[in-house]
Amino acid sequence: GESVGLHLPTLSVQEGDNSIINCAYSNSASDYFIWYKQESGKGPQFIIDIRSNMDKRQGQRVTVLLNKTVKHLSLQIAATQPGDSAVYFCAENIGLVSNFGNEKLTFGTGTRLTIIP
Amino acid sequence: DTAVSQTPKYLVTQMGNDKSIKCEQNLGHDTMYWYKQDSKKFLKIMFSYNNKELIINETVPNRFSPKSPDKAHLNLHINSLELGDSAVYFCATKGTGQETQYFGPGTRLLVL
Repeated sequence: GESVGLHLPTLSVQEGDNSIINCAYSNSASDYFIWYKQESGKGPQFIIDIRSNMDKRQGQRVTVLLNKTVKHLSLQIAATQPGDSAVYFCAENIGLVSNFGNEKLTFGTGTRLTIIP
Repeated sequence: DTAVSQTPKYLVTQMGNDKSIKCEQNLGHDTMYWYKQDSKKFLKIMFSYNNKELIINETVPNRFSPKSPDKAHLNLHINSLELGDSAVYFCATKGTGQETQYFGPGTRLLVL
């Protein structure tokens, strides 16, 4: 079946450096992608999203890149801070946006990002 | 105010018991979800409700019965708990016409 996967399960980055978390997806029909951050003992927290008609979107210290040709998604975090340590998930939206709740997110396996002081 | 809240935060129980976990949201969203996160952090959708109506049921065993008494609440009742039910259960909500889902803090269920 189709799924969302990550290249690296763990990533350690020096504080202040930039980090890149990668995600591969296989459902070519997906048209919406989201990155979530999950800190220990908490629920996933929305970071940034991107639609398939875009290839880049920037937020505060974060950038998401989408390469539809190779079905690849990445999350770049600039100037990492200790508070960035968490598990990061990419997710794809399967199903058209509607008013009926039939959309569902398929999550990747997650990458644990550790910021080294 | 917490946008999406869940009770209890922790639940430890014996195999074979029946238990309920609850979710409440004050975002005014029409769609609510239950997800299960296993020990390897894998998140998988279980159910979705829209305006109190069941929309998605991801082939979850019928020991799991969700119930939405109103738009702001989605509960999950589990009968005859099994060891494999041990996981973190997350509630999430989504507004009409939107795609971003907002997650609650989770309920950590341990079945002994």
